[in-house]
Amino acid sequence: AQSVAQPEDQVNVAEGNPLTVKCTYSVSGNPYLFWYVQYPNRGLQFLLKYITGDNLVKGSYGFEAEFNKSQTSFHLKKPSALVSDSALYFCAVRDKTGGSYIPTFGRGTSLIVHP
Amino acid sequence: EADIYQTPRYLVIGTGKKITLECSQTMGHDKMYWYQQDPGMELHLIHYSYGVNSTEKGDLSSESTVSRIRTEHFPLTLESARPSHTSQYLCASSEFSGGEETQYFGPGTRLLVL
Repeated sequence: AQSVAQPEDQVNVAEGNPLTVKCTYSVSGNPYLFWYVQYPNRGLQFLLKYITGDNLVKGSYGFEAEFNKSQTSFHLKKPSALVSDSALYFCAVRDKTGGSYIPTFGRGTSLIVHP
Repeated sequence: EADIYQTPRYLVIGTGKKITLECSQTMGHDKMYWYQQDPGMELHLIHYSYGVNSTEKGDLSSESTVSRIRTEHFPLTLESARPSHTSQYLCASSEFSGGEETQYFGPGTRLLVL
C-alpha cells in the first residue's frame, strides 16, 4: 500500500523568504516521489521527482526537494519565494514494488506568498 | 507545457443530459488517466488506460464511462448528468522517463450541472 500526507493545508510566507512545503509518505518498499503545482483554473504541472541517487532533487522554477528516508519525508523547498509561486502544491508517491503505475496524490497545500 | 488538451474548458449543463469530455494528447503516450477534483481539493482517480482497448476503473466510484479506441484520444462520458457530478475533471497521460512513469496533465474541464 502507498499513501502520502501533506500536513499543512496552507503555508504563508513573505516574498524573498525561504519556503518549505511538507510531505511525508508511506510505502511497503522504496518510493518514487513527485511534486506538482496547480495554478488557478489549470491542470497540474510537474515540478520534480525523486527516483534514486542524490537525496536533493532540483526541479523547475528554482524549486528543490529533499528525500529523507529515515523520516519518510520529501519536503519541497525554495530559497527565496516569489508572489508568483502562490499556488496549490501536490505531493505524490508510488511504491517501486507495487504492481500499479499510478501514484497516490496528497490533499494539496495552498502556498500563499505575501508581497 | 505538456501537449495534452481538454475540451470544453467550462461546461454548464442541465440534469439528465448526456455529455462527453474530450481529452487528447500528441505525445504518443500509452497510459492515460481521468481524475476528479473538487476546487482546491485532492485528486481522485476515476478511470485509466494502459493502451488502446484497455480501460480500468479507478479508486473513486464513478457513473462515467471511458473509451480508448486511439492512442491519442481518451474521452469520458456521463450518460445522465446530475448535480453531484459538478466538479473539475483532469485528464493526464504518462511516459516512462528518467527511470519512472511521469504524469502530465491537461488544463481541466470545469463542469457545472444544474
